[in-house]
Amino acid sequence: DAGVIQSPRHEVTEMGQEVTLRCKPISGHDYLFWYRQTMMRGLELLIYFNNNVPIDDSGMPEDRFSAKMPNASFSTLKIQPSEPRDSAVYFCASSSQVIAGGSTDTQYFGPGTRLTVL
Amino acid sequence: QQQVKQSPQSLIVQKGGISIINCAYENTAFDYFPWYQQFPGKGPALLIAIRPDVSEKKEGRFTISFNKSAKQFSLHIMDSQPGDSATYFCAATGDSGYSTLTFGKGTMLLVSP
Repeated sequence: DAGVIQSPRHEVTEMGQEVTLRCKPISGHDYLFWYRQTMMRGLELLIYFNNNVPIDDSGMPEDRFSAKMPNASFSTLKIQPSEPRDSAVYFCASSSQVIAGGSTDTQYFGPGTRLTVL
Repeated sequence: QQQVKQSPQSLIVQKGGISIINCAYENTAFDYFPWYQQFPGKGPALLIAIRPDVSEKKEGRFTISFNKSAKQFSLHIMDSQPGDSATYFCAATGDSGYSTLTFGKGTMLLVSP
């Protein structure tokens, strides 16, 4: 398996522009997560999906952020309009169904998208 | 209540030494404690994990020690190698249905040759 695939790997854009980050989870995984990583705040969970349905988007910082998962093999995270404070590394991760006992199975992270908003 | 506090923020260890990273949590419902390792330019990857029914888990040079009463757990890297230089994140999750991982802020480890 190729693992979680993210594109683009790097994105540089100007303030006010729309940014779309893309993720292809591992085939067969039914949970998908979007994280943001910064030096100040570490790894923050933005939103997660189960079977393509958004379950918890409480980590999405503002209405400028939106995420979709139109099918089991594709998800997008969109920022519109982008601002310099959105500069961060954005990770997508996927995992299989929760194991017996209710605890999280291993999350497999993609390589991330480094976003720079000028 | 959901926080996982990790220390130190950064750590420099000589080759062959022992690296120790500590984490503490508040939520007593947490029942799964993984550690993730992240190399520069890569995503985090699961390194080792423990459940609270045991006090220690060892995999090669990596050991998790778990103290349920103190609500603390730690990662020990024995015989640290330059290739272990990475950022390490502790995490925790609970058992109330599906729970997401709560990550610590991370520890940047540098193992000097």
